Amino acid sequence: EVQLVQSGAEVKKPGESLKISCKGSGYSFTSYWIGWVRQMPGKGLEWMGIIYPGDSDTRYSPSFQGQVTISADKSISTAYLQWSSLKASDTAMYYCASLGADAFDIWGQGTMVTVSS
Amino acid sequence: QSVLTQPPSVSAAPGQKVTISCSGSSSNIGNNYVSWYQQLPGTAPKLLIYDNNKRPSGIPDRFSGSKSGTSATLGITGLQTGDEADYYCGTWDSSLSAGRYVFGTGTKVTVL
Repeated sequence: EVQLVQSGAEVKKPGESLKISCKGSGYSFTSYWIGWVRQMPGKGLEWMGIIYPGDSDTRYSPSFQGQVTISADKSISTAYLQWSSLKASDTAMYYCASLGADAFDIWGQGTMVTVSS
Repeated sequence: QSVLTQPPSVSAAPGQKVTISCSGSSSNIGNNYVSWYQQLPGTAPKLLIYDNNKRPSGIPDRFSGSKSGTSATLGITGLQTGDEADYYCGTWDSSLSAGRYVFGTGTKVTVL
């Protein structure tokens, strides 16, 4: 079965760092771009950026450039999204999704990140 | 603020049809394929339509997509209570120096 499995929910304090993960299975992980999508509470979907695990080529949305880092470890079929200093406004659900045929066809279950003092 | 505009909500009775519009520009919809995603309450989004009008395996033909110029439309016929969800269009946008993927503002479908 083709799937993306994300790491569990996180509760952090402002200023802390965080790295969440997205592990692919059932397909050639290195051959498809993986994107990250933010959904703030009660709001819509926002595309954050995308990485090609085969060579780690990474593109960011201008809105998120410099705010997060996207990376991947192809040896373990896992993509990552990380923050060096969290803010309360980073509280959101984060989804990873694989890009096939110009659309995000496989989605992870989501990782809820809560940042609160 | 998204560059793709959708109506906030649409509603209809079971068995009826609804359409959801997605309005963009030449830098996105006008020159790229459009996809549609369904997000049921409390779940991850799911791909419904890709390449303007193609359905992934397992998506019933009650769901259809079309595109004309800088707008796209999702149609749902034979509306069911299980179709109550948020729906988003999505496509690539080249209005900035670097390409980016953009989602629509989202439309909530209510089955009356």
